[in-house]
Amino acid sequence: RKEVEQDPGPFNVPEGATVAFNCTYSNSASQSFFWYRQDCRKEPKLLMSVYSSGNEDGRFTAQLNRASQYISLLIRDSKLSDSATYLCVGEGILTGGGNKLTFGTGTQLKVEL
Amino acid sequence: DAGITQSPRYKITETGRQVTLMCHQTWSHSYMFWYRQDLGHGLRLIYYSAAADITDKGEVPDGYVVSRSKTENFPLTLESATRSQTSVYFCASKDAGLAGLDEQFFGPGTRLTVL
Repeated sequence: RKEVEQDPGPFNVPEGATVAFNCTYSNSASQSFFWYRQDCRKEPKLLMSVYSSGNEDGRFTAQLNRASQYISLLIRDSKLSDSATYLCVGEGILTGGGNKLTFGTGTQLKVEL
Repeated sequence: DAGITQSPRYKITETGRQVTLMCHQTWSHSYMFWYRQDLGHGLRLIYYSAAADITDKGEVPDGYVVSRSKTENFPLTLESATRSQTSVYFCASKDAGLAGLDEQFFGPGTRLTVL
């Protein structure tokens, strides 16, 4: 089982729609979670951190459900510029000890006119 | 320019050749990382460094060598390139900070093709 799993999509939505992505993680000891955005052939960039209490930034809302071990990202009023791949990121453990970020394979979003 | 840069941006090489990918950051971040990104696998950590002269293996270190003699540079060397090392390589950095797992800043990536 992958440490962080996402539906690869693509999610094709019309402009103005609300879209939600979910992601599950296997490491119950994970404390830190993030959503990164990656545009085609570009580097990933942090979109937002995810907290148990929820985190909202404009049209974006991230939520963490520890009991079910999943993370969600809600995008309201989708814009064409939201088209990208969204990477779910959790905390993992290195075999030699120490922590690392574990990236999901990403969910592709296409916002259409 | 401030930020994190990688060179070359594109590289084609042949099986068995040695290749070095360069990474340079101007923030004086403590941590630096090398990832590879392949379809179906997401980003996988190859090596990381917590400070100059301190490096450690990530998830997929075999076939790679790193060094960090200066805080700002973190080169990744493929000692004898194989076709399975064809990938997009991203370097990242982050400050030590109070949180151990806060934001990482990524370079623009190097697309490596091994023929």
